[in-house]
Amino acid sequence: GESVGLHLPTLSVQEGDNSIINCAYSNSASDYFIWYKQESGKGPQFIIDIRSNMDKRQGQRVTVLLNKTVKHLSLQIAATQPGDSAVYFCAESWGAQKLVFGQGTRLTINP
Amino acid sequence: DAEITQSPRHKITETGRQVTLACHQTWNHNNMFWYRQDLGHGLRLIHYSYGVQDTNKGEVSDGYSVSRSNTEDLPLTLESAASSQTSVYFCASSYLAGATINEQFFGPGTRLTVL
Repeated sequence: GESVGLHLPTLSVQEGDNSIINCAYSNSASDYFIWYKQESGKGPQFIIDIRSNMDKRQGQRVTVLLNKTVKHLSLQIAATQPGDSAVYFCAESWGAQKLVFGQGTRLTINP
Repeated sequence: DAEITQSPRHKITETGRQVTLACHQTWNHNNMFWYRQDLGHGLRLIHYSYGVQDTNKGEVSDGYSVSRSNTEDLPLTLESAASSQTSVYFCASSYLAGATINEQFFGPGTRLTVL
C-alpha cells in the first residue's frame, strides 16, 4: 500500500552544522506534508508543514522542501544545536484529515 | 492554556482485562485521533473522530474501540487486552477549517504493558 518512508534511519551531525533529514513518499495524490520532532518520553511536537502548492517553506531555523516530481520531502535544520537531538517523523495526507507517518529518523548531535 | 492530556501515563494490566485510556483536549478541536507507537513501525492510526458521535477505524483498529460523546474526550478501550497491545499510545487533536487539513497536536502518551 501507499507509505511514507525515510532514506536514513539515523543521522549524526556536528554541533553548529546544518542537518538534512530526507523523506520519500509514494502517494502522488498527497497534498499535505508535515514534520514532527519527538524527544525521548514525550509526544511528537509539530515543527513545520507544507502544502502541495508550495515547494519550500521556512520557519525558525528550519526549512522544508517539497519535490513533487520525485516525491521527496526534506527537513533542513540550520546551525544544529544539542536540543535538536530527537527522532524526526515526516507524515503525509491526501483527501482527508488523517496523517500517515514514516518510521522516523534519529538525529544525534556531536559536540 | 489549552492542552491535550492523557491518563494514566503508565498502565500495567493482565491479558484478557478491559482497559480504557483517557484523552482530553481543551482546544475545542473537532478532530481527535489515537495512535500506537512501536519500534520499527512509527505511529500507526488506531481510530479517529471528526466530531461528536463520529468514529472511524484506522490502520490497526482490531481489538480497540472508541466513543465520542463530547468534543473534549475520546477514550480508547481495549476490549480484552493482549500482549501484542503492549505499546505507547498517543492521542492527538486538530481543528477543522473547511476541508483543509491542519497540524495535529499530540498528548504526552500512555505506556501500556499487558502481561
